[in-house]
Amino acid sequence: DAGITQSPRHKVTETGTPVTLRCHQTENHRYMYWYRQDPGHGLRLIHYSYGVKDTDKGEVSDGYSVSRSKTEDFLLTLESATSSQTSVYFCAISQESPGELFFGEGSRLTVL
Amino acid sequence: QQQVKQSPQSLIVQKGGISIINCAYENTAFDYFPWYQQFPGKGPALLIAIRPDVSEKKEGRFTISFNKSAKQFSLHIMDSQPGDSATYFCAASKSNFGNEKLTFGTGTRLTIIP
Repeated sequence: DAGITQSPRHKVTETGTPVTLRCHQTENHRYMYWYRQDPGHGLRLIHYSYGVKDTDKGEVSDGYSVSRSKTEDFLLTLESATSSQTSVYFCAISQESPGELFFGEGSRLTVL
Repeated sequence: QQQVKQSPQSLIVQKGGISIINCAYENTAFDYFPWYQQFPGKGPALLIAIRPDVSEKKEGRFTISFNKSAKQFSLHIMDSQPGDSATYFCAASKSNFGNEKLTFGTGTRLTIIP
C-alpha cells in the first residue's frame, strides 16, 4: 500500500470553527490532491498541488484553502466550517499527472 | 457541468453474471480513462485504465470497452463474485499538457448476490 496517512480520521465540529485536515505521504510523489466524496456527486476535486508551495484550485474550492510547505505534507483548511462541508475527504498522491492516484483512507468530517 | 456521466447509480447482479457499468464524456480532448474500485471504509484504488488508441482492454475478469465516436466507455466484470461488491468510479482526463486532473463520474454501487 502507498504510504499515505490522513489525520484526523474522524472529526465532529461546530459551524463556524476552523478545521485542518492533514495528509502525509512517504512516497515522495510530486502531485497531491484533496477530494471530497458525497452521495450522488462522486469524487470532486477541491485543491491540488504539483510541488512544494505550488497549488491550484479544483472544481469545488470555495471555502477551502491548502498549503504544502514540504513534499510530504498537504494541509486542507476550512477557515469557517459550514454544514455543507460535512463530507468524507480523501487525500491522493500521484507520480505524474495524469497518472495512477493512490488514495488515503479518508477523513470523515461532520459539521453540526 | 458534469463532464463524465456514469450509470447506473446502483446495480445488483447474481454471482457468476456479467456486471456492466457505463460512462459517457463530453470533452473530446479526454484521452485517459481509468476505473477505480472502492470498498467500504477505504479509499478508491485503480482497477484498470485505457487510452483511446485501443477499443478494448482486458485484465482478468475486468474489461474496458471504448467507443470514441460515441464518447462512451464501459466496464464489464465477467463471472461476477461477491468480492467484487464495491463502488466503481469511472474517470477521464487529458494527458498531453501536464498537470491534468481527473474528472470522476458519480459512482456505481455494485452488489453481487449469491
